[in-house]
Amino acid sequence: DIVMTQTPLSLSVTPGQPASISCKSSQSLLHTDGKTYLCWFLQKPGQPPQLLIHEVSNRFSGVSDRFSGSGSGTDFTLKISRVEAEDVGVYYCMQNIQVPRTFGQGTQVEIK
Amino acid sequence: EVQLVESGGGLVQPGGSLRLSCAASGFMFSNFSMNWVRQAPGKGLEWVSYISASGSAVYYADSVRGRFTISRDNAKNSLYLQMNSLRAEETAVYYCARGTSYWGQGTLVTVSS
Repeated sequence: DIVMTQTPLSLSVTPGQPASISCKSSQSLLHTDGKTYLCWFLQKPGQPPQLLIHEVSNRFSGVSDRFSGSGSGTDFTLKISRVEAEDVGVYYCMQNIQVPRTFGQGTQVEIK
Repeated sequence: EVQLVESGGGLVQPGGSLRLSCAASGFMFSNFSMNWVRQAPGKGLEWVSYISASGSAVYYADSVRGRFTISRDNAKNSLYLQMNSLRAEETAVYYCARGTSYWGQGTLVTVSS
């Protein structure tokens, strides 16, 4: 199974400041089709997860451009350019290159 | 608007069975693969099972293989998860998801005597 490791596990951010979350996979997520199957979710309190980013850097429909994803191979990063109060929640990375799909442990983001 | 609505959760004794359903609307259900993902109270996300758009390919987490069965009825726009021999540690909110893109609100399964 591919192990997904996120850092940090918690983050306290001042509104308007940037934030960054790292996700590392135990195996390359680059598929033979040329795509890299890494996505990011945000789970707000009391809600189901919502897709933010797919295939490393593609924002899902309706997602703010304050969110951006980057990386390749086994190292990935989610960046929030200017954190807002509505960004509070737990962020997860997930690999969907192979089964079993696996998630990172989650990163709790709170506002200072 | 894409909607996924889970049902069938509840309280069940250890060793018991439960069948979850997920009603889909707002998209061509038969064109999309589906997943079940669960989340134990206060814990992270755990993928449970996958089914391809046609239903011809299914996959399971090791922890549930042999006890859970995923299926779908494309004529009824519905996804199912038959869960047998349930364990206390499988108490969780169970979500259905269209690929990775859209998720239902979840249904709570409590396994307890």
